[in-house]
Parts: sequence; structure tokens; C-alpha cells
Amino acid sequence: GESVGLHLPTLSVQEGDNSIINCAYSNSASDYFIWYKQESGKGPQFIIDIRSNMDKRQGQRVTVLLNKTVKHLSLQIAATQPGDSAVYFCAENTPPVNYGQNFVFGPGTRLSVLP
Amino acid sequence: DTGVSQDPRHKITKRGQNVTFRCDPISEHNRLYWYRQTLGQGPEFLTYFQNEAQLEKSRLLSDRFSAERPKGSFSTLEIQRTEQGDSAMYLCASSLGTGKNSPLHFGNGTRLTVT
Repeated sequence: GESVGLHLPTLSVQEGDNSIINCAYSNSASDYFIWYKQESGKGPQFIIDIRSNMDKRQGQRVTVLLNKTVKHLSLQIAATQPGDSAVYFCAENTPPVNYGQNFVFGPGTRLSVLP
Repeated sequence: DTGVSQDPRHKITKRGQNVTFRCDPISEHNRLYWYRQTLGQGPEFLTYFQNEAQLEKSRLLSDRFSAERPKGSFSTLEIQRTEQGDSAMYLCASSLGTGKNSPLHFGNGTRLTVT
């Protein structure tokens, strides 16, 4: 079936540099996407979301870009800090959904911030 | 703490035993989800409630799994006759269903080990 995937399973960046985590999705009808951060031993933590009627959304130090033409989602983290080290998941809302929503998660990218 | 709460955090059981997990969602959230996560993978959807009604169930949810949300508040997930393949992190999430697209807020999960 259709699923969400990630280009890079691991990413290492220097502290202070910008990070870009990529995600490819295959369901062109998906209309809502979320990025989550998961630290060891914890549940996924909401970072930022974007709806399909938008191309870009910014938060505090994070930006999500959505390219519906190539079905690509990215998370940009500015001035990466040691506390950003975690596994990052993208999730897409899989239609058709009768009542609520059923998110499909990718396998995740591990971000390691080097001192 | 007003986040999603799960109990217990860890459960070790012998194959064939029954286990039950509890989830307390964020109090004003009417939607509640159960996901399963194995090591190195993203969360996989199991089931979803809106208030007390169970509206979606994944094919992953075999007949040994049952979930309830009797009063539309807390939920329980029971696994009967556990198998070693049931070993995983069981995550609960909730959302405020005012529209179709609402972010999920996760608890820190219950880690199940079946020996």
C-alpha cells in the first residue's frame, strides 16, 4: 500500500548549522502532514504541521516545506542545538477517512548534533 | 501535568498471559488513538475513538486485541494470549476534534516485553 518514507535514515550536523530532514510521500490525496520529534524513551512530540493548501509554514527555529508536485516534505531546523538530537518522523493523513484521521508514519530519521 | 498519561510505563509478561494498558488523554480531547511502535520503526495505527465510539480499527488489530473507552474519557487496550511478536511500545494519543485535521498529542507509551 501507499506509505510515507524518508530519504535519509541518519543525519549528523555540527552544532549551530542548519538541518534539513526530508520525507517522500506516495499518496497524492493526503491533505495534512505533521512532523514529530521522538527522544529516547518518550512518545513522539508534535513539532509543526502543514495542510496541503500551503507550501511553507514556519515555527520557532523550524520550517516545513511541502512540494505537492513531487510529493516531498522537508523539515528545516535553524541553528541546530544538542537538544535537537532525536528521531524525526513525518506523518501523513491517509484518506479516505470517514470520521477522523489515521496518520501513517515513516520509519524516521535520526538526527545527531555534533559539538 | 496535563499531557497524555499512560500506565504502566513498562510491562514484562510471559507468553500466553493477558495484559491491559490504560491511557488518560488530555481532558478536553474527544479523540483517542492507539498506535504500536517497534524498534527503529515509526508508529503504526491500531485503533481510534471519537468520544466512546470506536470508529476505526487497523488490520493489525487481531482478535486478541480489544480496546475500550467506556465513558469517552480514559481508554484501555487489552491483549489476550500474548505472543512474543506483541513485544513493542504501545502509544496512546489524543486530539481535539473540532475539524478534520488536528495534531495528535502522544503519551510516553507502555513498553511491553513478552518472554
